[in-house]
Amino acid sequence: AQKITQTQPGMFVQEKEAVTLDCTYDTSDPSYGLFWYKQPSSGEMIFLIYQGSYDQQNATEGRYSLNFQKARKSANLVISASQLGDSAMYFCAMNPNTGNQFYFGTGTSLTVIP
Amino acid sequence: DTGVSQDPRHKITKRGQNVTFRCDPISEHNRLYWYRQTLGQGPEFLTYFQNEAQLEKSRLLSDRFSAERPKGSFSTLEIQRTEQGDSAMYLCASSLGTSGGLSSYNEQFFGPGTRLTVL
Repeated sequence: AQKITQTQPGMFVQEKEAVTLDCTYDTSDPSYGLFWYKQPSSGEMIFLIYQGSYDQQNATEGRYSLNFQKARKSANLVISASQLGDSAMYFCAMNPNTGNQFYFGTGTSLTVIP
Repeated sequence: DTGVSQDPRHKITKRGQNVTFRCDPISEHNRLYWYRQTLGQGPEFLTYFQNEAQLEKSRLLSDRFSAERPKGSFSTLEIQRTEQGDSAMYLCASSLGTSGGLSSYNEQFFGPGTRLTVL
């Protein structure tokens, strides 16, 4: 079975601090992609970062980095130097290479405190 | 605007009516996805097209739901005999998936969604 688990319904972080959003996944596929999306209150889903299961290095994209621990099946998102505009819902998603479905977690609501 | 567009943005209908939503993907994207998102949940996959072929459908997609992508460009999602449980945000996404290698990269670009309310 394919499953994404985000155990933090809500998180708070002080502006300019770093925050880690947790994501664990379950799949029997040997090859897959992991994605993080941001969904502001306006509703659109914004792609943040991608990690392939065979990528040797952790993905980074500006202030976003992905802490990928394959053996533990975790793909945590780290946001450095948080900004007020980072306040939003964050979704972790997985796309097994054997299929075309994307599996999303239930999301984490991040609030950045000034 | 060259992003994914969806129409309408909002739809209010009475139970039992039929509704149709449209999605215009990014023009060069061959893959198109429909998702349903209810409050407090992540998007749930409904169906997937590669060009005009519908290659995958979720078990969530009951017989009342039908999707088409007749020319491999825009897509429509129709819900017949709507029920209150169909109230949700319906998201469309497109991608230009690159296959090959050990992990294929398949970034999806999402549209703004159509919010359906069934009274």
